[in-house]
Amino acid sequence: DTGVSQDPRHKITKRGQNVTFRCDPISEHNRLYWYRQTLGQGPEFLTYFQNEAQLEKSRLLSDRFSAERPKGSFSTLEIQRTEQGDSAMYLCASSSISGRAGEQYFGPGTRLTVT
Amino acid sequence: SQQGEEDPQALSIQEGENATMNCSYKTSINNLQWYRQNSGRGLVHLILIRSNEREKHSGRLRVTLDTSKKSSSLLITASRAADTASYFCATPPSGTYKYIFGTGTRLKVLA
Repeated sequence: DTGVSQDPRHKITKRGQNVTFRCDPISEHNRLYWYRQTLGQGPEFLTYFQNEAQLEKSRLLSDRFSAERPKGSFSTLEIQRTEQGDSAMYLCASSSISGRAGEQYFGPGTRLTVT
Repeated sequence: SQQGEEDPQALSIQEGENATMNCSYKTSINNLQWYRQNSGRGLVHLILIRSNEREKHSGRLRVTLDTSKKSSSLLITASRAADTASYFCATPPSGTYKYIFGTGTRLKVLA
């Protein structure tokens, strides 16, 4: 399967701990997005990369959240000093800059539970 | 508030019937997309319609876009139990890649 993969699929952490999630996009996709989704809501945009450049960030991506895409391939999302309000599903998506541009392919998500 | 807001929030129909859901948005856009989410397959892209298009078809799906009213509709014809899912519209405001999803329409198709 050559779709978007995310690791881990589930993460339980104690409040105040740091967590890091990884996303591996479809190999030929230049664009990569991170979203957060809570129960009953649609995905909420966090950040967007084109190749290795982080071009857009939500105000939600404050000092506790950081994302990187060091070589324009995989990406990591780190949350420092987690809070219970960070409990959510974190989704990664990728898309191509050409061809079917704009069509995002989503990974299965990482479900974070902060206790 | 959300850029895209779907209506109705929930919809229950019998298999074989058509399902229509609507999306409204607030700013000018380059395109609007519809996605489906169910527990088995996660979020899946259904169809993209560009701002200069008024209607688009894909299989049993028909999407319309009215930029003057800032609204879109998704019609699923001859629905099946497998269409049971949440449906979201997503729009990036013009000049951005900040895709904004609505809260979704939860469709239940009864066999």
